[in-house]
Amino acid sequence: DAGVIQSPRHEVTEMGQEVTLRCKPISGHDYLFWYRQTMMRGLELLIYFNNNVPIDDSGMPEDRFSAKMPNASFSTLKIQPSEPRDSAVYFCASSLAPQLYGYTFGSGTRLTVV
Amino acid sequence: EDQVTQSPEALRLQEGESSSLNCSYTVSGLRGLFWYRQDPGKGPEFLFTLYSAGEEKEKERLKATLTKKESFLHITAPKPEDSATYLCAVLTGGGNKLTFGTGTQLKVEL
Repeated sequence: DAGVIQSPRHEVTEMGQEVTLRCKPISGHDYLFWYRQTMMRGLELLIYFNNNVPIDDSGMPEDRFSAKMPNASFSTLKIQPSEPRDSAVYFCASSLAPQLYGYTFGSGTRLTVV
Repeated sequence: EDQVTQSPEALRLQEGESSSLNCSYTVSGLRGLFWYRQDPGKGPEFLFTLYSAGEEKEKERLKATLTKKESFLHITAPKPEDSATYLCAVLTGGGNKLTFGTGTQLKVEL
């Protein structure tokens, strides 16, 4: 298996622009998670899905952020409009059974908003 | 609210100099404590899961232990390739969310 695949690896955008981050989970994993990592706050959970349904979005910072999972093999995280404080590394992770196996993380998308 | 605190924030060791990293937690209903390793520019990589106080797990030069309030990651005779950030996380309550600490950045020098 190729693991969790995220794209793009790097994204530089101007303030106010829309940004879309993409994730392909490991086939057969029913859980998908979006995290944001910054130096100040570490890894923070934004939202997670189970069987393509959003279960907990309490970590989504505000209405500018939205996430979708239209099918079992694809998820997006969208920021519109983007702001400089959104600059961070965004990770997608998937899991078959979190308590037993934890998560498998992708390599992340480094977002810079200028 | 679940809290995970890791110490030290950074640790520099000489090759072969054993040490321990600490992860203390305040949670309601621990369902599992996880250790991950993160290399620069990469996502965290799973190392261990511990479920109950007294449990221990080993992998090469690493050994993780768990008590009711904290976990330790012991590194025996480390090598430069052990240099990374080590993250601790807890799974609690009835959900499937991992809450992470901010990590210990380990550097092992020759």
